[in-house]
Amino acid sequence: DIQMTQSPSTLSASVGDRVTITCRASQTCSSWVAWYQQKPGKAPEVLMYKASTLQSGVPARFSGSGSGTEFTLTISSLQPDDFATYYCQQYDSYSLTFGGGTKVEI
Amino acid sequence: EVQLVESGGGLVQPGGSLRLSCAASGFTFSRHWMSWVRQAPGKGLEWVANINQHGSVDKYADSVKGRFTISRDNAKNSQYLQMNTLRAEDTAVYYCARTDPYGTGWFDYWGQGTLVTVSS
Repeated sequence: DIQMTQSPSTLSASVGDRVTITCRASQTCSSWVAWYQQKPGKAPEVLMYKASTLQSGVPARFSGSGSGTEFTLTISSLQPDDFATYYCQQYDSYSLTFGGGTKVEI
Repeated sequence: EVQLVESGGGLVQPGGSLRLSCAASGFTFSRHWMSWVRQAPGKGLEWVANINQHGSVDKYADSVKGRFTISRDNAKNSQYLQMNTLRAEDTAVYYCARTDPYGTGWFDYWGQGTLVTVSS
C-alpha cells in the first residue's frame, strides 16, 4: 500500500495567515491526490483532486500542487471557516489511502 | 441534490455481524463506483471497500478482507456493507461515499455516517 504522511499534524495559525500542509507518499502516485476538509462531527468534503484541480464551489484561496511523491495544500489567507482538519488521499493504487490529517487551529 | 443516507449502525458484540445500508438519491446511482470509508473515534480516515457500477468488481482494505462484503442494488439505489466477525478495532463511524464522475478514485459526496460500536 502507498503510505501518505502529512505534516504537520497540528498547525496553529491566525485569520489572514498563509498556511501550507504537506503530504508525502511512500511511492509515486503521479498526480492522483485529493484533499479533504473535515469539521468536527461532520463528513469530509473534497477541496481538490488531481493534486491541483479545485472542486466546484471551493473558494479560490485554496490551492494544491505537487506530483510524484510530494504534494501541498495551501490556504492563501486563512478564514474563520477554515479551522478544521485536512486530509490528503491517494488514488493511484487500487488500495486507496489517506494521510493522518492536519488539524488547523487558532 | 445528491444525498447519501447511511443506516444500520449500532452496538454489537465482538465476533458478531452487522449490515450497513446506504440509500442514494439525486443522481444516477448506476453510473458511479461507490465506497465505504470509516473513521475510528478521534482518528483519521480509512478506506474500507469499493464496488463498481455493475457490482461485478469489488476491492477491500487488507484490514477487512475476508470479513466484510460490499454489495449494491441499482434497482433500489442502494449499497450495503455486510460486516462479519467484528472486532473492537472495527469501532468507527462508517461513511458511504460516491466515487468521482471520472471513476478515478476520489470521493465527491459523502453521507453523514453511521456509528458502529463493537464491545461486550
